[in-house]
Amino acid sequence: DGGITQSPKYLFRKEGQNVTLSCEQNLNHDAMYWYRQDPGQGLRLIYYSQIVNDFQKGDIAEGYSVSREKKESFPLTVTSAQKNPTAFYLCASSSWDRGNYGYTFGSGTRLTVV
Amino acid sequence: GESVGLHLPTLSVQEGDNSIINCAYSNSASDYFIWYKQESGKGPQFIIDIRSNMDKRQGQRVTVLLNKTVKHLSLQIAATQPGDSAVYFCAERVGAAGNKLTFGGGTRVLVKP
Repeated sequence: DGGITQSPKYLFRKEGQNVTLSCEQNLNHDAMYWYRQDPGQGLRLIYYSQIVNDFQKGDIAEGYSVSREKKESFPLTVTSAQKNPTAFYLCASSSWDRGNYGYTFGSGTRLTVV
Repeated sequence: GESVGLHLPTLSVQEGDNSIINCAYSNSASDYFIWYKQESGKGPQFIIDIRSNMDKRQGQRVTVLLNKTVKHLSLQIAATQPGDSAVYFCAERVGAAGNKLTFGGGTRVLVKP
């Protein structure tokens, strides 16, 4: 089945550590996105990539980094510079061929700072 | 600038009644709108979408209405069921900005038995 997979489902980070969240899709989608969701809040865009080897900052990119070396993969690193990283992170992908602009989301990674 | 907002943060509905979730948007250049459903601890799931050249679109038990004059979007759920309890997000796309969706803050729907 085609889909988008995020791992791990739960992640614990110590103060000062960098952690990397995985996102893989086998939908052949060109674009991929990372969103952060805080409790009771909407989705805020961290980074997005519309093509391999290219990505742009979203609204809250500070303290995060990404790479897009393969079409299928868009890992997100939460660095120690991110002062409040505890949140639910969602990865999404999209392909706007044939006029379908909707995103397919992964099931999320819940990151907690301990 | 771009913004998508919701009028009601929480909506309580009796099982079997119809639900209406509202969404306001401010960018008149938005050309595509989409509704997502998010259950607790899961990623959002597509419900229905509508393009700006339409004012109504129907799916299974759901209808989306678009009023471009007042920049208003609504999602109607017919015969609401317990499985409809979730947070619902609207999102808009400004075509000139590439395929980037801007999401609203979400409305929680609670279905009472």
